[in-house]
Amino acid sequence: NAGVTQTPKFRVLKTGQSMTLLCAQDMNHEYMYWYRQDPGMGLRLIHYSVGEGTTAKGEVPDGYNVSRLKKQNFLLGLESAAPSQTSVYFCASSRASSGANVLTFGAGSRLTVL
Amino acid sequence: GEDVEQSLFLSVREGDSSVINCTYTDSSSTYLYWYKQEPGAGLQLLTYIFSNMDMKQDQRLTVLLNKKDKHLSLRIADTQTGDSAIYFCAEIVDSSYKLIFGSGTRLLVRP
Repeated sequence: NAGVTQTPKFRVLKTGQSMTLLCAQDMNHEYMYWYRQDPGMGLRLIHYSVGEGTTAKGEVPDGYNVSRLKKQNFLLGLESAAPSQTSVYFCASSRASSGANVLTFGAGSRLTVL
Repeated sequence: GEDVEQSLFLSVREGDSSVINCTYTDSSSTYLYWYKQEPGAGLQLLTYIFSNMDMKQDQRLTVLLNKKDKHLSLRIADTQTGDSAIYFCAEIVDSSYKLIFGSGTRLLVRP
């Protein structure tokens, strides 16, 4: 059982380039999330999805786009990368529940924008 | 709005107890969580507590919740070097799918 898998694990981009981070989960979870982690700032929510075909903005959505065409995949796109987007990106997923919303995280994708 | 705050760093000696503190602002928080992040890895759930509870114990971990002061703490008994990691406090507010995380507390356990 792989859980949440992120690809790629590392990437270096030049300013202005575009790229897509892929998140895949095999737990049949309804909810999926993209966070970024920066030193001293914890995790900040970029975008999230509560089901296939739906997405919503989080705390820091500017400069990013997302798509959830299939339930198991959540893609994070950077159309024109900027140095401020250098960060570690984490994908997470969870089961729709009326109780505690327990997130399962991927191992992270480290992105450097030069 | 929602905000979660933690101190950035804690150092303890192996075998001592560690107490990591967290404050949150949203009084409608329903669940509060502690996650652990080891170097180079994603976050893993340690434990969570429902807002109508004051305390939850799970082996070496004790979570205390003071709703009046909006204060959450995580106590790790008999701290081991393997407990060295970053610990994140998080809250979820009612009718929300979103977890709001604190900035994380880096725990260093000295031999």
